[in-house]
Amino acid sequence: EVQLVESGGGLVQPGGSLRLSCAASGFTFSSYWMSWVRQAPGKGLEWVANIKQDGSEKYYVDSVKGRFTISRDNAKNSLYLQMNSLRAEDTAVYYCARDCDPRQCQTGPFDYWGQGTLVTVSS
Amino acid sequence: QSALTQPRSVSGSPGQSVTISCTGTSSDVGGYNYVSWYQQHPGKAPKLMIYDVSKRPSGVPDRFSGSKSGNTASLTISGLQAEDEADYYCCSYAGSYHSPWVFGGGTKLTVL
Repeated sequence: EVQLVESGGGLVQPGGSLRLSCAASGFTFSSYWMSWVRQAPGKGLEWVANIKQDGSEKYYVDSVKGRFTISRDNAKNSLYLQMNSLRAEDTAVYYCARDCDPRQCQTGPFDYWGQGTLVTVSS
Repeated sequence: QSALTQPRSVSGSPGQSVTISCTGTSSDVGGYNYVSWYQQHPGKAPKLMIYDVSKRPSGVPDRFSGSKSGNTASLTISGLQAEDEADYYCCSYAGSYHSPWVFGGGTKLTVL
């Protein structure tokens, strides 16, 4: 059974930092792109960042470029999101999701999601 | 990258059909056959319902179908059931050199 379990959320002051983690199991983690998707309270989904299987390619939504860094450790089946210079508008539930290159995958993007971890940026 | 445009809400009675639209540009929806749809119940994680415009993952009822014309994709739910009441989000690939994925703003489906 595929499982994605996020952790690391919490309350942080504006300008602060937080590191989110996502523990993956039930599939060959190193074979998949992975993404972070967030959802502000009462708002829609927003794709944040993704990373290729070997970590050689990373992409970000414009609003987090230069502040957030996505990374992975295939030996630990884990995905990370380092968030720096946090702003109030970064307040959201952050989901870890299995991703894919649509030109190559057979199952569609974001076919599995974690339960999410809440990040609140407030003084 | 701007969010894809979806209606804020749609509604239908049990047994009826509803269609949710998702409008983008030639750089995303119109440029690739990689549109997906997600269902989200309150307090839950999203669930993939349609990918590659019209493909259904295993386990998704065939009451759910997808299509695309030009820059607009659509999700049709036929034979509406009470449990279909949820938020629905479209998502499109937007190329590999910028932000590859863009979501729609979401549509609240109410089953009357």
